[in-house]
Amino acid sequence: EVQLLESGGGLVLPGGSLRLSCAASGFTFRTYAMSWVRQAPGKGLEWVSTITGSGDPTFYADSVKGRFTISRDNSKSTLYLQMNSLRAEDTAIYFCAKTVSNWGPFDYWGQGTLVAVSS
Amino acid sequence: QTVVTQEPSFSVSPGGTVTLTCGLSSGSVSSSSYSSWYQQTPGQAPRTLIYSTDTRSSGVPDRFSGSILGNKAALTITGAQADDESDYYCVLYMNNGIWVFGGGTKLTVL
Repeated sequence: EVQLLESGGGLVLPGGSLRLSCAASGFTFRTYAMSWVRQAPGKGLEWVSTITGSGDPTFYADSVKGRFTISRDNSKSTLYLQMNSLRAEDTAIYFCAKTVSNWGPFDYWGQGTLVAVSS
Repeated sequence: QTVVTQEPSFSVSPGGTVTLTCGLSSGSVSSSSYSSWYQQTPGQAPRTLIYSTDTRSSGVPDRFSGSILGNKAALTITGAQADDESDYYCVLYMNNGIWVFGGGTKLTVL
């Protein structure tokens, strides 16, 4: 059974940093691309970033490019999102999502972790 | 910047059929868009219904189907049930590794 468990969310000051983690199990992690998708309170889903199984290439939404970095540790079956220069508009639930192959749309989702950026 | 469009809301009667659509503000949806559909109820993670236009995700009943209708992606729900009342999101591939979600459709079953 595929399981994705996010952690690392919390309250952070504007301009601050946070690193999210997503522990994966139930599939061969290194052979699948992984993504982060976020949802601001009361809003829709927004794709944030994708990383292929090998770790390269990576892709980012314009809204986070240059501030967020996606990475993975295939030996630990863990996905990361390093978030720097955080803004109020980054406040959201961040979901980890597995893709259907080494590239493609998302098929399995974690339960999400809440990031709140506020002074 | 291309916007992905969805009906903000839709209603269907129990047992009825409804088709939700997902379009582009500029251009047409095709198989190369890898359109995918997700169901979400308040406070829950999204659930994958359909990916890559018409592939049903594991465990999804065949009441849910995906297709391309004209220049849009479509999600059809037949035999609507009360627990189909949810928000439905589509996502489209835009090239260069970029994915864009639609704003979502709130489906009411009444």
